[in-house]
Amino acid sequence: AQKVTQAQTEISVVEKEDVTLDCVYETRDTTYYLFWYKQPPSGELVFLIRRNSFDEQNEISGRYSWNFQKSTSSFNFTITASQVVDSAVYFCALSEARVGWGGTSYGKLTFGQGTILTVHP
Amino acid sequence: NAGVTQTPKFRILKIGQSMTLQCTQDMNHNYMYWYRQDPGMGLKLIYYSVGAGITDKGEVPNGYNVSRSTTEDFPLRLELAAPSQTSVYFCASSPQALLATYEQYFGPGTRLTVT
Repeated sequence: AQKVTQAQTEISVVEKEDVTLDCVYETRDTTYYLFWYKQPPSGELVFLIRRNSFDEQNEISGRYSWNFQKSTSSFNFTITASQVVDSAVYFCALSEARVGWGGTSYGKLTFGQGTILTVHP
Repeated sequence: NAGVTQTPKFRILKIGQSMTLQCTQDMNHNYMYWYRQDPGMGLKLIYYSVGAGITDKGEVPNGYNVSRSTTEDFPLRLELAAPSQTSVYFCASSPQALLATYEQYFGPGTRLTVT
């Protein structure tokens, strides 16, 4: 079963439009973390936000805002007044603590398939 | 501060050749990871390391090997390259992952083509 689902494969908007990227996740853990990463055309992965499973407060950072709803297992990302520079692939990711070698834990990061956002001038 | 660096940026290999992808981080992070990203897909974990001398397999380890002799370096070795290993490879690091809390910082990626 897909643990992180980004149902929108591609979204195309005109500059200044608002756009929401959807993310639905699945986990049995009570403690987990959710992330959004941006991958611009240059290819690197840029961290945008981290949210833990106990904090359902929405967050706003400039034109970016995130809506975390545990009841629907969703962590959606909205860009207000989009700009051409927002064009990128956006990945939602779920991090769950797992025990590896020798009993040490690590963050198992599961990515969604990504949403390609194109903002036209 | 360089963060996570990877070399080379691009590489073309013939089937059956071997190579090592280099990854170095200067943030003194204990945890390091190797991922591959296939076209149109998210990232999949190949191997990870929780500290010098300690490595473990991720989701897709077959055809790869890793070592971690220092905190800074985490090279990924491809033996007998196959076309199925054509992908973009990302190295990442994070501080000690208490309850999976910390974000991972990614390198710029290595685009590998096997023909």
